[in-house]
Amino acid sequence: SQQGEEDPQALSIQEGENATMNCSYKTSINNLQWYRQNSGRGLVHLILIRSNEREKHSGRLRVTLDTSKKSSSLLITASRAADTASYFCATKPNQAGTALIFGKGTTLSVSS
Amino acid sequence: EADIYQTPRYLVIGTGKKITLECSQTMGHDKMYWYQQDPGMELHLIHYSYGVNSTEKGDLSSESTVSRIRTEHFPLTLESARPSHTSQYLCASVGTVKNTEAFFGQGTRLTVV
Repeated sequence: SQQGEEDPQALSIQEGENATMNCSYKTSINNLQWYRQNSGRGLVHLILIRSNEREKHSGRLRVTLDTSKKSSSLLITASRAADTASYFCATKPNQAGTALIFGKGTTLSVSS
Repeated sequence: EADIYQTPRYLVIGTGKKITLECSQTMGHDKMYWYQQDPGMELHLIHYSYGVNSTEKGDLSSESTVSRIRTEHFPLTLESARPSHTSQYLCASVGTVKNTEAFFGQGTRLTVV
């Protein structure tokens, strides 16, 4: 069964607003990653946060990780229409030889 | 920019045909993966490989098979396509360094009629 669960499933905001997406997972992890997918395309890696990190920034992206609650959040500040896409969290379990496990994703629509 | 390529991008094929979806990467990554994704839905791992001559089935039962004869190449084959195989297939690779991201191809959108 899939480990990651994002919420909300869909989010609609106006340009300039902030967008927050959450991800919960079930098992111990090495790291947690966020990916972006434009409609009908492959996934593009956005940011990786290790299990011993609590917060990470990259441009307009801010990711937090709470391993005690097994949850993470992705914040996109000052959103733009070009941020419209689906966003997935993926966890790398602690177990050796395991693949990334993806959540169901959050579909973000940013209108101008 | 990721050096991982999938062909074809789109494929419409009749029921019962045999098809092979190609995936190649030029990054020298040992780990490669195939995911299946229906539109707007989550990714399901169907096959993975941690090196040449190593292949494993993923979490989602699949009637496809894979091979890994060369590090850079990880093709996926459907012996007899069915309408239920209609989906997007995504190939990814990961390097051997710990805590590194996956690189994805652009995907193959398969429609079986």
